[in-house]
Amino acid sequence: EVQLVESGGGLVQPGGSLRLSCAASGFSFSDYAMSWVRQAPGKGLAWVSSISDSGRGTYYPDSVKGRFAISRDNSKNTLFLQMSSLRAEDTAIYYCAKDSWDSSGYFTSWGQGTLVTVSS
Amino acid sequence: EIVMTQSPATLSVSPGERATLSCRASQSVSRNLAWYQQKPGQAPRLLIYGASTRATGIPARFSGSGSGTEFTLTISSLQSEDFAVYYCQKYSDWPRGTFGQGTKLDIK
Repeated sequence: EVQLVESGGGLVQPGGSLRLSCAASGFSFSDYAMSWVRQAPGKGLAWVSSISDSGRGTYYPDSVKGRFAISRDNSKNTLFLQMSSLRAEDTAIYYCAKDSWDSSGYFTSWGQGTLVTVSS
Repeated sequence: EIVMTQSPATLSVSPGERATLSCRASQSVSRNLAWYQQKPGQAPRLLIYGASTRATGIPARFSGSGSGTEFTLTISSLQSEDFAVYYCQKYSDWPRGTFGQGTKLDIK
């Protein structure tokens, strides 16, 4: 059974940094692209970042480019999201998501999420 | 940038009835369209990919159709556990998976 367990969320001041982790199990982690998707309180889903299976390719929307960095450690089956220069609008639940087998871009499994609150 | 628009925002349907949810893309996404279900306090769950292929373990009462710019998710006979928010997502230009704003399906 695929399991994705996020951690690292919390309260951070505007301009601060936070590092999220996602521990994966139940599948061959190094064979799959992975992504982060967020959901602001009471709002819809928004793609945040993706990384190729090897880790060589990383991708971001303009809203987080230059502030967020996705990475992975395939030896430890773990996905990361380093967030810096955080803003109030980054407040959201952050989900780790496993891409489809062919990296088409849809998400076959999701973690339960970790809440990031950016506030002074 | 392709924009995904879902309608209606809220749909009220009685248990046992059919629900039809719509998703429109601002330009063609071919059949690169997925549907997700999200219940309160839970993560989204993949229902449909490729516009019409049910994901593993998804009941047959869920069906998807469409291509290009117009898509539909149909739930043939609503069960109590189906009342949730549904999102469509286009993935025609990986990895930029844009979501619709969601349709809340609630009990009439």
